Amino acid sequence: NAGVTQTPKFRVLKTGQSMTLLCAQDMNHEYMYWYRQDPGMGLRLIHYSVGEGTTAKGEVPDGYNVSRLKKQNFLLGLESAAPSQTSVYFCASSSDPTPADTQYFGPGTRLTVL
Amino acid sequence: GNSVTQMEGPVTLSEEAFLTINCTYTATGYPSLFWYVQYPGEGLQLLLKATKADDKGSNKGFEATYRKETTSFHLEKGSVQVSDSAVYFCALSERSGGYNKLIFGAGTRLAVHP
Repeated sequence: NAGVTQTPKFRVLKTGQSMTLLCAQDMNHEYMYWYRQDPGMGLRLIHYSVGEGTTAKGEVPDGYNVSRLKKQNFLLGLESAAPSQTSVYFCASSSDPTPADTQYFGPGTRLTVL
Repeated sequence: GNSVTQMEGPVTLSEEAFLTINCTYTATGYPSLFWYVQYPGEGLQLLLKATKADDKGSNKGFEATYRKETTSFHLEKGSVQVSDSAVYFCALSERSGGYNKLIFGAGTRLAVHP
């Protein structure tokens, strides 16, 4: 059982370049999330999806776009990367729409923007 | 808005020492409370959770009790091991806009030495 997987694991970009991060889950979860993790700040939600074909903004959405064309995949795009987007990005998924919901996290993507 | 505050790290302990990581929260209503753990180079994984006042979550020798009167969810373990070295995140879950929003503390790094 692979759970939540993310590709790539590491990436270095130059300012202004674009890239897409891929998240895949094999647990048939409806809900998927993208977070960024910065030192001393915990995790902050970028975008989320409550089902195939849906997306919504989280706490820090500026500079990012997402798509959920298939239930198992959630893509995070950076159209024009900036140094402020240097971070570790985590994808998560969950199935239960109650507050006791457990989110399952992927291993993360470490992105550096020069 | 709702928030989570946890003690700053790093926390450095010798093997078999007693561990406490403090976590307090601010919330309206009755959120669910979580501890997630992040081992080096990995994503976050659920350690334990509690969904109502006076509930005690436990797993792998770790415990935390949901204290509504003190708005706290302190993490404890009676005897830590080197393998417990990780970053620990306290979080609360609140219903927001059709999904369960996880609000994380900044994380506490634990280092256990032999």
